[in-house]
Amino acid sequence: DAKTTQPPSMDCAEGRAANLPCNHSTISGNEYVYWYRQIHSQGPQYIIHGLKNNETNEMASLIITEDRKSSTLILPHATLRDTAVYYCIVARDGQNFVFGPGTRLSVLP
Amino acid sequence: ETGVTQSPTHLIKTRGQQVTLRCSSQSGHNTVSWYQQALGQGPQFIFQYYREEENGRGNFPPRFSGLQFPNYSSELNVNALELDDSALYLCASSLGGIYTDTQYFGPGTRLTVL
Repeated sequence: DAKTTQPPSMDCAEGRAANLPCNHSTISGNEYVYWYRQIHSQGPQYIIHGLKNNETNEMASLIITEDRKSSTLILPHATLRDTAVYYCIVARDGQNFVFGPGTRLSVLP
Repeated sequence: ETGVTQSPTHLIKTRGQQVTLRCSSQSGHNTVSWYQQALGQGPQFIFQYYREEENGRGNFPPRFSGLQFPNYSSELNVNALELDDSALYLCASSLGGIYTDTQYFGPGTRLTVL
């Protein structure tokens, strides 16, 4: 079973920030938080990952709470092309991912 | 683009047949993982190969088997196909070894079993 829980769906207005939450209350000290997204029928696309510090790259920001029991993926200016299923995964060494059902994000015009 | 390719894109087989799916990893990536994604669900881990040896397996029967070759290519073989094997099959490559790693997925092969 996946070690994460995510809301099944979210809507976001185009141009606004999309904030996708993830709970991982049983995360171990050496497990990372990974985020991927999957646009319909394509392979999952890597977005970002982190251990305990907040991370930012050209796609998104990852905010991890101090107790590491939850995190938020932030897409700062959502576009229609960001409509996808977003998966939050915890894994020790980036291997053997256990995917949950993810969050279906719909970006609305 | 992730540099991970898969073939074929689509495949139709009948129950009881055997199928081989192929994956070409990013150059330099020693690890390849295979996932099965049924419609409407998240990908499920099948197994992983590291330097041509199986290095972890999910809850899949032995009729799912694999090979990894020195040229960064790999295969997923499924024998005695069942209707429930219809799914998108994804491979993902990563550096492997001691690295804290990131997996890069290919576009997948859509298998339909009739």
